[in-house]
Amino acid sequence: ETGVTQSPTHLIKTRGQQVTLRCSSQSGHNTVSWYQQALGQGPQFIFQYYREEENGRGNFPPRFSGLQFPNYSSELNVNALELDDSALYLCASSLKGPNSPLHFGNGTRLTVT
Amino acid sequence: AQRVTQPEKLLSVFKGAPVELKCNYSYSGSPELFWYVQYSRQRLQLLLRHISRESIKGFTADLNKGETSFHLKKPFAQEEDSAMYYCALSGATNKLIFGTGTLLAVQP
Repeated sequence: ETGVTQSPTHLIKTRGQQVTLRCSSQSGHNTVSWYQQALGQGPQFIFQYYREEENGRGNFPPRFSGLQFPNYSSELNVNALELDDSALYLCASSLKGPNSPLHFGNGTRLTVT
Repeated sequence: AQRVTQPEKLLSVFKGAPVELKCNYSYSGSPELFWYVQYSRQRLQLLLRHISRESIKGFTADLNKGETSFHLKKPFAQEEDSAMYYCALSGATNKLIFGTGTLLAVQP
């Protein structure tokens, strides 16, 4: 069984630019969630995808968008980057349902200058 | 509003001492509660969930709906328990709401 992998591990962008983060889900998992973790904080829910459709969204603006592909890989896109977007972005895959545990990747550390 | 509160940023204990990591939540329905752990240089991973009522690595957590708490306990701490612990709440979906985390440091 393969785990959740994220790429890249680190990324530096300039304010106003756009970024795409990638995630490969654990084999057999049909749900992917993205979280933002600022320094010293717990992860905050951005959104979740199930069968390639958005299935819930947290309190993030529309410039945060995502995609899920048939092979269970997914992307997080952020447009018009702001300094406050600097954070660790975590991808987590799971089976659908409230009690299915999340399997996290190692995250992508995004720095916006 | 849905919220998870972990009042302690850091909890330092000696090896063999009892451990209690506090977690309080605010949720209008029937929540699912979890504890996730992150060991040094490892990814965030599930430690236990209240619905399973299991003990993992000697840790237990009981959901107290009256006090809206889900404290994590272990009778005798080990050095390998040193890690960041996050309490999390889930409602009807897999959307997890995390607390800010407590760093457990077990001294030899």
